[in-house]
Amino acid sequence: GAVVSQHPSWVICKSGTSVKIECRSLDFQATTMFWYRQFPKQSLMLMATSNEGSKATYEQGVEKDKFLINHASLTLSTLTVTSAHPEDSSFYICSARGLAGVSYEQYFGPGTRLTVT
Amino acid sequence: QKEVEQNSGPLSVPEGAIASLNCTYSDRGSQSFFWYRQYSGKSPELIMFIYSNGDKEDGRFTAQLNKASQYVSLLIRDSQPSDSATYLCAVPRGSQGNLIFGKGTKLSVKP
Repeated sequence: GAVVSQHPSWVICKSGTSVKIECRSLDFQATTMFWYRQFPKQSLMLMATSNEGSKATYEQGVEKDKFLINHASLTLSTLTVTSAHPEDSSFYICSARGLAGVSYEQYFGPGTRLTVT
Repeated sequence: QKEVEQNSGPLSVPEGAIASLNCTYSDRGSQSFFWYRQYSGKSPELIMFIYSNGDKEDGRFTAQLNKASQYVSLLIRDSQPSDSATYLCAVPRGSQGNLIFGKGTKLSVKP
């Protein structure tokens, strides 16, 4: 149980283009999904928190117009990196938390490695 | 003081030994604690969570929580080379339960 998928697993795009990353909870309904970014040899950095049907909450320093998050259903959240630049190249990871009780454990997707050329 | 602190390591132990990973946290009101394992180039994987003071065992893993001293530890018995990874300690924050992660401790188990 508690499986989260991400698609694509890796993507290469040209500077100035936009990239959409999907995050799905496969066997549970996720009230809340989280998007993280991780640069090489650094720790996870939370970018934003999204709840189904409402606007995402972005962490300080994260541009909401650049990183568009849509949490359209209880099993799907998308992150769109708009007008990507080489400095956006990173490992993007989503996680999901289920409906049951007040449990806070998050289950992570396998991540998407983005390279902007 | 950072919210969640871990020794970055690397912590090197021989195969078969006990690996002890420690984490301290600043918010005395924290109620739940999580340990994740992250292999190089992969996403984190939940290993254990603990809510109550004392020990919680799951196979070769034991989580220990001491709320009075504000630390949580993870013991790995009979360490295997496949346990070599970065171990992340995490504590929820806020009403949505955002997890605050430590920077992780890199464990290396030598055959």
